[in-house]
Amino acid sequence: DIQMTQSPSSLSASVGDRVTITCRASQYISTYLNWYQQKPGEAPNLLIYAASSLQSGVPSRFSGSGSGTEFTLTISSLQPEDFATYYCQQSYTIPITFGQGTRLEIK
Amino acid sequence: QVQLVQSGAEVKKPGSSVKVSCKASGGTFPKSGFTWVRQAPGQGLEWMGRIIPDYGTTNYAQKFQDRVSITTDESTSTAYMELSSLRSEDTAIYYCARRQVLLWSEGFDIWGQGTMVTVSS
Repeated sequence: DIQMTQSPSSLSASVGDRVTITCRASQYISTYLNWYQQKPGEAPNLLIYAASSLQSGVPSRFSGSGSGTEFTLTISSLQPEDFATYYCQQSYTIPITFGQGTRLEIK
Repeated sequence: QVQLVQSGAEVKKPGSSVKVSCKASGGTFPKSGFTWVRQAPGQGLEWMGRIIPDYGTTNYAQKFQDRVSITTDESTSTAYMELSSLRSEDTAIYYCARRQVLLWSEGFDIWGQGTMVTVSS
């Protein structure tokens, strides 16, 4: 199975900050990589697909990059509603696997 | 726009089975497929398996291979996930989601609200 490792596991930041979350795959996955946001008590929400494409309806302050084994999710200017947990997910091979999550908290 | 509505919370005894439903409404039946993901209390997301009605295929995570069955009923626009031989570690929220191939990457763009399954004696 492909292991997905996110860093950091948690992060404190302030409104207006630029934040970057990293996701590393244990083997090559090209750009078969998606990002999700999950708020407490809610289902996950797709933000980015194919490493860098913004899902419809997602604010443009979210962006993704990377290929191969290393990927990043960047939030250009944090808004209060962005404090949540973020997950990466690979779809290069079955089984599909998720990162362990990055919890983004208010500083 | 398709919405996915899941069945209600369940409390089960160890060794029993649970069957969770996921009804698609407001659009066409998602023949691109469904996936099931679970989340134990305070933990991350765990992929269980998928069904692709267009291809008539199912795939399961090795961890659940012997205990899980994912099916669909197109006549009622419903997907199902049945998990057997339940143990306490299966206590979790179970989510269904619509599977989509977005450019080339398989992702999950519409999610159900989740179903809490509690396994307790």
